[in-house]
Amino acid sequence: DTAVSQTPKYLVTQMGNDKSIKCEQNLGHDTMYWYKQDSKKFLKIMFSYNNKELIINETVPNRFSPKSPDKAHLNLHINSLELGDSAVYFCASSQRRTSGPGETQYFGPGTRLLVL
Amino acid sequence: GNSVTQMEGPVTLSEEAFLTINCTYTATGYPSLFWYVQYPGEGLQLLLKATKADDKGSNKGFEATYRKETTSFHLEKGSVQVSDSAVYFCAASQGGSEKLVFGKGTKLTVNP
Repeated sequence: DTAVSQTPKYLVTQMGNDKSIKCEQNLGHDTMYWYKQDSKKFLKIMFSYNNKELIINETVPNRFSPKSPDKAHLNLHINSLELGDSAVYFCASSQRRTSGPGETQYFGPGTRLLVL
Repeated sequence: GNSVTQMEGPVTLSEEAFLTINCTYTATGYPSLFWYVQYPGEGLQLLLKATKADDKGSNKGFEATYRKETTSFHLEKGSVQVSDSAVYFCAASQGGSEKLVFGKGTKLTVNP
């Protein structure tokens, strides 16, 4: 069974459109994340939710809006898509600790978004 | 905040060669350190990790030791295989924080 799954795997769309990417994890983790990987493979965190509550919100345009209906799901909605949004978007999850060592994050397979 | 600097690639080696990918970090406190690997067309997978100074993480023949005095976590493998061809990411997290900071990744190609 896939631990962290994302849909769709590929997304090709026109500039100005609105699109959503879905993520689900079956690991029983409390915390989920969205990362963006650019064409040079640089990976940067965008958002993190813990039990449906937003805990990390990096400097991301407000066209990007995460939504967590429950702790097993974290979706990413993007409004008015721009050419620069083309990237691979990764979802990840981990168990939250309030102290002690950082927990391992488990990544989904990625969603390859191409904006034309 | 934390930052991670890793050796820029690409790195090209012949099969059975020795591999080192350097990684250094800056952080307040004591981060946990990770190496993730990304095979072509796939997501990131944890390769190994270390949570405190002098810990050694190891997996699939890869090793890295958490060196607090040099703030480093270099990845090594004694004899690489073609199947090790991938992009390797060093990462650091702060204890009690969910934020994981990644290096820019090092692409490794191993030729037969």
